[in-house]
Amino acid sequence: DQQVKQNSPSLSVQEGRISILNCDYTNSMFDYFLWYKKYPAEGPTFLISISSIKDKNEDGRFTVFLNKSAKHLSLHIVPSQPGDSAVYFCAASFINTGTASKLTFGTGTRLQVTL
Amino acid sequence: DTGVSQDPRHKITKRGQNVTFRCDPISEHNRLYWYRQTLGQGPEFLTYFQNEAQLEKSRLLSDRFSAERPKGSFSTLEIQRTEQGDSAMYLCASSSRTRNYEQYFGPGTRLTVT
Repeated sequence: DQQVKQNSPSLSVQEGRISILNCDYTNSMFDYFLWYKKYPAEGPTFLISISSIKDKNEDGRFTVFLNKSAKHLSLHIVPSQPGDSAVYFCAASFINTGTASKLTFGTGTRLQVTL
Repeated sequence: DTGVSQDPRHKITKRGQNVTFRCDPISEHNRLYWYRQTLGQGPEFLTYFQNEAQLEKSRLLSDRFSAERPKGSFSTLEIQRTEQGDSAMYLCASSSRTRNYEQYFGPGTRLTVT
């Protein structure tokens, strides 16, 4: 029962262009979403997050969009840089209970930024 | 501000042996999480502590697994009678009181059971 899905296992983008990574979820109770980046042999690094009360959050080159009706979120990276090459994980959580909660992760999308 | 640290980074063990991993969270983070990641998958939740109290355990955490956080600081994860299916990356994460929904991960311990 995969509640968070990343249907594209890989993506290749040219340096300077926009990278768009997609994520779908099935549990409408999720109310907080996060993106993590992971390099080989390292733990996931927190990138950006969004609460379900928003539809957009921006941090530098990274923007996350949330479409609650479609249960879909996306991460936009503009402009893409070679150092962005990594595996990106989408994760979802519940925070409306007021306590910390486990993260449910997707299977990841490997982004390769080419020169 | 040091990040989450885990020890060891790599562990190779024979089937049937016991192993123990340690996690040191970011100082003053009161919440600590353990996840397991296998090849081609995202991290899967195992268990979670708030201070020294273990508040949630996944059904993935069989009775061969035990986790502790005795003084609310570092945590240990022990696997008894290891099986080849236990081979995975074991990740620890922590979060603060004020932003408890953002978890910060350590580098992980890669376990190989031969």
